[in-house]
Amino acid sequence: EVQLVESGGGLVQPGGSLRVSCAASGFTVSSNYMSWVRQAPGKGLEWVSVIYSGGNTYYADFVKGRFTISRDNSQNTLYLQMKSLRPEDTAVYYCVSHANGGYYDSWGQGTLVTVSS
Amino acid sequence: QSVLTQPPSVSGAPGQRVTISCTGSSSNIGAGYAVHWYQQLPGTAPKLLIYGNDNRPSGVPDRFSGSKSGTSASLAITGLQAEDEADYHCQSFDSSLSEEVFGGGTKLTVL
Repeated sequence: EVQLVESGGGLVQPGGSLRVSCAASGFTVSSNYMSWVRQAPGKGLEWVSVIYSGGNTYYADFVKGRFTISRDNSQNTLYLQMKSLRPEDTAVYYCVSHANGGYYDSWGQGTLVTVSS
Repeated sequence: QSVLTQPPSVSGAPGQRVTISCTGSSSNIGAGYAVHWYQQLPGTAPKLLIYGNDNRPSGVPDRFSGSKSGTSASLAITGLQAEDEADYHCQSFDSSLSEEVFGGGTKLTVL
C-alpha cells in the first residue's frame, strides 16, 4: 500500500526558513514524479513544485528562488526546503505522487506551515 | 484567482443529482489536456475521484461521473448522499504556464 507521511511543519517568522519532509512507503520516490501542492486556509489547491524521476525540478513562479525540492533515495523521502518565507506561504503542504496521465494518485495527510510574527 | 473556474458552492437534497462545472481556456482544457477531479472530505487530504476526464479509480462509486466539452468539464453526482458533502477540486495542465493548475474548489452541501 502506498503511504506518504509529511512532517516538519510549524510556526516560522516572516523571512525565516523551514524544511518539510515526506516519507514514502509502498513505492520508490526516485522512480516517480513527485510534487508538493499547498492549500492556504479556506482556499483551493495550488501546485508548488515537481521533481521528475530523472531529477529535473520545476517551481511555481511564486516560490521560484525561495523553495527547493529534493529527495533522498536512500531514505525514500521527499523534501521541500523553504526560505525567505512570507505570510502568504501559510498553508497545508501536501506531498503527492503522479500517475501516468498527469493526475495525483496518492496524497499525504499534509503538514501545516504558518508564517507569522 | 484560480486558472480554472468553479462555482464556490452547490447544494442538493439526498437522492438528487448535482453537477459541478470547471471552466478553463484554450491553453488548458480547450487545448485537449485531461481534467481530473478530487474529493476533499472535511479535515482530510484530497483524494482522487475522477481521472482522465471520465475515469473512476477502483472503489469510487459509479454515482460519480466526469465529462469534458470544449473549454469546460463537469463532475456529476447522482443519488446524492450525506457522505458526499465535501469540497471538490478540478485539475488540468496549462500550456501557457507549463504547470498543473487547479480550480478554486466547490463546496457541496447535502441539504
